[in-house]
Amino acid sequence: EPEVTQTPSHQVTQMGQEVILRCVPISNHLYFYWYRQILGQKVEFLVSFYNNEISEKSEIFDDQFSVERPDGSNFTLKIRSTKLEDSAMYFCASSEVSQPANEKLFFGSGTQLSVL
Amino acid sequence: AQTVTQSQPEMSVQEAETVTLSCTYDTSESDYYLFWYKQPPSRQMILVIRQEAYKQQNATENRFSVNFQKAAKSFSLKISDSQLGDAAMYFCAYRSAINDMRFGAGTRLTVKP
Repeated sequence: EPEVTQTPSHQVTQMGQEVILRCVPISNHLYFYWYRQILGQKVEFLVSFYNNEISEKSEIFDDQFSVERPDGSNFTLKIRSTKLEDSAMYFCASSEVSQPANEKLFFGSGTQLSVL
Repeated sequence: AQTVTQSQPEMSVQEAETVTLSCTYDTSESDYYLFWYKQPPSRQMILVIRQEAYKQQNATENRFSVNFQKAAKSFSLKISDSQLGDAAMYFCAYRSAINDMRFGAGTRLTVKP
């Protein structure tokens, strides 16, 4: 069964450093998402992406965050200058074409980001 | 804004028994979709079941079923014949054509042998 893959599974970084979290969505999916989950808390929506544009973003997704689909297969989340409170599990998800509300999200296994 | 509320932070059930996890949501939309996701200790998010709001019939998936009450904006998950592998965090989620998916705070389910 096709799956969303995320790398790395764990990322440790120093505060103020830039990190890039990588995701490979399912190949025929066109809608892409990033979510995060701070330990013990709920899963929070960050951003959705379609047709090489951000379609929606939450208040969490400030100027420190950016997303990109550099090569038609990868979907990346960049945090420019990490803060301690960015420590969380980051989930990538994708869904199929045309009517996103009809489709379930397929989640990756997540990248655990630890900011020291 | 659409909100999803799970009022039970923790629940426990005896193996082979039935448990119901509660979820309510707030929306002004008429067309939307509701989901239950399971998050085991591995922290992967796994879809358990989903319900289209326009369907009156409650969704079922093997031992998992929902009680969807559209007027009350309630979407509870029933797990029958609970198994040890059902132990996990369960997240209720809402998605409409306008908003991307929003999750509740989760319910931690413990299954006692």
